[in-house]
Amino acid sequence: GIQVEQSPPDLILQEGANSTLRCNFSDSVNNLQWFHQNPWGQLINLFYIPSGTKQNGRLSATTVATERYSLLYISSSQTTDSGVYFCAVLPNQAGTALIFGKGTTLSVSS
Amino acid sequence: DAGVIQSPRHEVTEMGQEVTLRCKPISGHNSLFWYRQTMMRGLELLIYFNNNVPIDDSGMPEDRFSAKMPNASFSTLKIQPSEPRDSAVYFCASTMGKAGSYTFGSGTRLTVV
Repeated sequence: GIQVEQSPPDLILQEGANSTLRCNFSDSVNNLQWFHQNPWGQLINLFYIPSGTKQNGRLSATTVATERYSLLYISSSQTTDSGVYFCAVLPNQAGTALIFGKGTTLSVSS
Repeated sequence: DAGVIQSPRHEVTEMGQEVTLRCKPISGHNSLFWYRQTMMRGLELLIYFNNNVPIDDSGMPEDRFSAKMPNASFSTLKIQPSEPRDSAVYFCASTMGKAGSYTFGSGTRLTVV
């Protein structure tokens, strides 16, 4: 099946720093989403981005489907950005659902 | 919209007992998914429904697990009998269309002692 690799696995930042999280996937996809799991365990949908670039405040994401990767940018990080960031993809085949990567754990300190 | 609603939020039960988790998808969404999250295995798909019909249940661990979707607004995941290794957070998600944006519920944290 499709492989979803996220890097780095862990990231520690000072408040105000910028960061880039990467997601590589091994096959073509119909859908790609980025989620943030906050310290309370909730999975928050950040971006639905099968291709192209989107921005939402301090966060932006880019997916290059032909090269099978996506990037999540966090600028001017805040302590509330801490948590786990997941990339999830929907393989381009019938009868499948979102497949999740193992996530990047982000810790932002003040 | 209230989003995807799961109940209970927390469940503690003794080994051997039956456990039922519930999910109400977003109104109008026609696909519903059950995922399980553990430290060892991460987020893994258990089963999903399209228009109330189970499409892929290959992720259901074993016969102790069963899921139903009697109508478009309700689904259950049942574990009988429960075992300590079933302890995990169980998430329900829904979407409109196969490739739509998934919305997750708040999850049910299950502890089997």
